[in-house]
Amino acid sequence: GAVVSQHPSWVICKSGTSVKIECRSLDFQATTMFWYRQFPKQSLMLMATSNEGSKATYEQGVEKDKFLINHASLTLSTLTVTSAHPEDSSFYICSARSTLAGLSSYEQYFGPGTRLTVT
Amino acid sequence: AQTVTQSQPEMSVQEAETVTLSCTYDTSESNYYLFWYKQPPSRQMILVIRQEAYKQQNATENRFSVNFQKAAKSFSLKISDSQLGDTAMYFCAFMKHNNNDMRFGAGTRLTVKP
Repeated sequence: GAVVSQHPSWVICKSGTSVKIECRSLDFQATTMFWYRQFPKQSLMLMATSNEGSKATYEQGVEKDKFLINHASLTLSTLTVTSAHPEDSSFYICSARSTLAGLSSYEQYFGPGTRLTVT
Repeated sequence: AQTVTQSQPEMSVQEAETVTLSCTYDTSESNYYLFWYKQPPSRQMILVIRQEAYKQQNATENRFSVNFQKAAKSFSLKISDSQLGDTAMYFCAFMKHNNNDMRFGAGTRLTVKP
């Protein structure tokens, strides 16, 4: 149980275009989802927290107009990188938190990540 | 703000031996959670072990155990009988109780040598 998927796993896009990354909780309802960014050989940095049906909360220094987050249902959150530039190339990881009985309410379940390359 | 420090960027251990990874954290909270995550080359984050701060007993999961010293704000991970599959990045993480923020340390790259 507690499986989180991400799609796509790898995407290459041209500078100036937008790209959407999906994060899905497959076997549980995720009231809260998180988006992280990981540069090569570095740690995970929280970008934003999204709660189903409400606006995302962005970490300081993260441009909310550039990284659009939508959490329209209890199983899906999307991250759209708008007008992507080479410096946006990174590994993006989502995680989900569930309040269902049987799953720890504080634990986060991570997706496999999406590698974004902007050329 | 909470900070998590992993002072060992890289470590290596011989197969079947024991290794300990260090983690310290800084917080003024009394109730929180601590985690160790493993990130193998596939980059999938895998939960290794977790500890609730209110529990005095150290968590154990098979070959993995922690030494949680709340007063010292230390949370080290011991891996016994190391296996080649343990080769990965290991991240220590902190999360306040009733809070979404999970803060990660810089990571320790562990290599298990045959």
